[in-house]
Amino acid sequence: KQEVTQIPAALSVPEGENLVLNCSFTDSAIYNLQWFRQDPGKGLTSLLLIQSSQREQTSGRLNASLDKSSGRSTLYIAASQPGDSATYLCAVPPGGSQGNLIFGKGTKLSVKP
Amino acid sequence: DTGVSQNPRHKITKRGQNVTFRCDPISEHNRLYWYRQTLGQGPEFLTYFQNEAQLEKSRLLSDRFSAERPKGSFSTLEIQRTEQGDSAMYLCASSSRPRTSGLDEQFFGPGTRLTVL
Repeated sequence: KQEVTQIPAALSVPEGENLVLNCSFTDSAIYNLQWFRQDPGKGLTSLLLIQSSQREQTSGRLNASLDKSSGRSTLYIAASQPGDSATYLCAVPPGGSQGNLIFGKGTKLSVKP
Repeated sequence: DTGVSQNPRHKITKRGQNVTFRCDPISEHNRLYWYRQTLGQGPEFLTYFQNEAQLEKSRLLSDRFSAERPKGSFSTLEIQRTEQGDSAMYLCASSSRPRTSGLDEQFFGPGTRLTVL
């Protein structure tokens, strides 16, 4: 059964700092991994999707890496800004399927001015 | 706007009442998903459709829950005889069936927040 863990549960950093969020999953037979951002009381915004054949994906100040064999992904945020404050969620499909996503509990990020 | 839309955004109901939520996916997306999220947790999968066919249902989807996607366009999620434990954010997502494995990116709507008193 696929399980997703995100560490840390919460993180507070000063503005301008570079930071790394971690995600691990138990079944490495995944087709892809998605990172999302969620603002309080809102829906999810897709940030990055990494296919299983890729090692990393970049979008602006965000860089996500995937080590499928070890069941790990990281989301790197460069030069953090107060507007980056949100909960970041990673999600993977169950092993061997492309259907629904299984989510971690998220990392709540606070960037202080 | 071509994003996923959900209505209503908020619903307050009394225990025992029935409620229905609607989701309009991104046009031409043939896959549609329903998730439920409670405070401090990640979303949990409820059910998913490919076109009008309901392909998978989670054990979370008790017999009080029913979902439909007539004609493969919008979808509705109905909860009968609501209970206080049904209070949550109900999220809808859609995706298109990709030609290449691994490109099934899901896009989420703003959610419907249900409060059962």
